[in-house]
Amino acid sequence: GESVGLHLPTLSVQEGDNSIINCAYSNSASDYFIWYKQESGKGPQFIIDIRSNMDKRQGQRVTVLLNKTVKHLSLQIAATQPGDSAVYFCAETEAAGNKLTFGGGTRVLVKP
Amino acid sequence: DTAVSQTPKYLVTQMGNDKSIKCEQNLGHDTMYWYKQDSKKFLKIMFSYNNKELIINETVPNRFSPKSPDKAHLNLHINSLELGDSAVYFCASSRSGGLNEQFFGPGTRLTVL
Repeated sequence: GESVGLHLPTLSVQEGDNSIINCAYSNSASDYFIWYKQESGKGPQFIIDIRSNMDKRQGQRVTVLLNKTVKHLSLQIAATQPGDSAVYFCAETEAAGNKLTFGGGTRVLVKP
Repeated sequence: DTAVSQTPKYLVTQMGNDKSIKCEQNLGHDTMYWYKQDSKKFLKIMFSYNNKELIINETVPNRFSPKSPDKAHLNLHINSLELGDSAVYFCASSRSGGLNEQFFGPGTRLTVL
């Protein structure tokens, strides 16, 4: 079946540095991509989304890049802070329905 | 003023028991979901309801039965609990009709002994 980034790697980053989290997806029909942040003991929280007709979208301290040619999604966090420590998930869905397929997640640890 | 709430937060029970998890959203959304997150943090959709109608059922054992009494509630009943059912279960909701953000509840950690 289709899959989105099935591993849970860990990214250690120094406070103040930029973080880049990567995600590979395999469903070429996906139209909509979302990054979620999950802090310990909490549910996933929306960070930023991007539609397939865009290749870049910026939010506050976060940027999502979409490369449909190689089916790759990334999340960049500028000036990473201790509060950014969490597990980050990419998710994708097709326009035909609301079924989100999640990637395996990346743990970000921010060192003071 | 919690957007998506679940009860209980923790549930510890014996194998073979039947249990329910409740979910409520006050966002006025038409669509609600149940997800299961395993010990490796992998999140997978189980069910989705739109206006109280089942629209997604991801080959979940029929021991799991979602029930939606109204648009704001989607409860999950599990019969004959097994060890492998131990996980964190998340409820979510979204607007329907297009590509819409899903809002997640805080999760229910189910431990089957």
